[in-house]
Amino acid sequence: KAGVTQTPRYLIKTRGQQVTLSCSPISGHRSVSWYQQTPGQGLQFLFEYFSETQRNKGNFPGRFSGRQFSNSRSEMNVSTLELGDSALYLCASSLTFSAGGGEQFFGPGTRLTVL
Amino acid sequence: AQSVTQLDSQVPVFEEAPVELRCNYSSSVSVYLFWYVQYPNQGLQLLLKYLSGSTLVKGINGFEAEFNKSQTSFHLRKPSVHISDTAEYFCAVSTYYNQGGKLIFGQGTELSVKP
Repeated sequence: KAGVTQTPRYLIKTRGQQVTLSCSPISGHRSVSWYQQTPGQGLQFLFEYFSETQRNKGNFPGRFSGRQFSNSRSEMNVSTLELGDSALYLCASSLTFSAGGGEQFFGPGTRLTVL
Repeated sequence: AQSVTQLDSQVPVFEEAPVELRCNYSSSVSVYLFWYVQYPNQGLQLLLKYLSGSTLVKGINGFEAEFNKSQTSFHLRKPSVHISDTAEYFCAVSTYYNQGGKLIFGQGTELSVKP
């Protein structure tokens, strides 16, 4: 069974631009979460989608948004990029949306560099 | 609110020596606890999790962890490490009441195994 895939793996953008990252969950998984990983702040939860609806949201500005499609694939978008948005963006999928003990499977991440 | 503290940012150890990576958490409600490993340029892989029941949890690659409710700790141990265990390790929590997969992570511990 294929794992979680994220595209692209690497991105370089300049300040003020916008970017879209893509995540394909494991086949059959319906919940997708996004995390930002930086050396300073560590791993921080961005949002979670299930059945095309955002179910949980972290403490990030409105420049960060996402969506989920009917096939469970998800995208996240960052508008008006800032230098501080440089990070590894990780996507995780799980079977369903349930009380917090469900296992999440992580993709390899997209490394975003903002110049 | 929940928080996770990993007490050591870096742990150097010689091959075949035992290792303990320390994790403390803070929460006003019951939690689920996880340890993840991240190898260079990869996503996170689940090592083990505590949901309920026996406080000693065994995971993959010979790792185990013990949940101590009174100490609010969930330390990770391995009796004999290998060079291939060199990676970053993350402790994480989610709560019974937090629907979905939102994980709160510690800052990570870099385990460096030397020959």
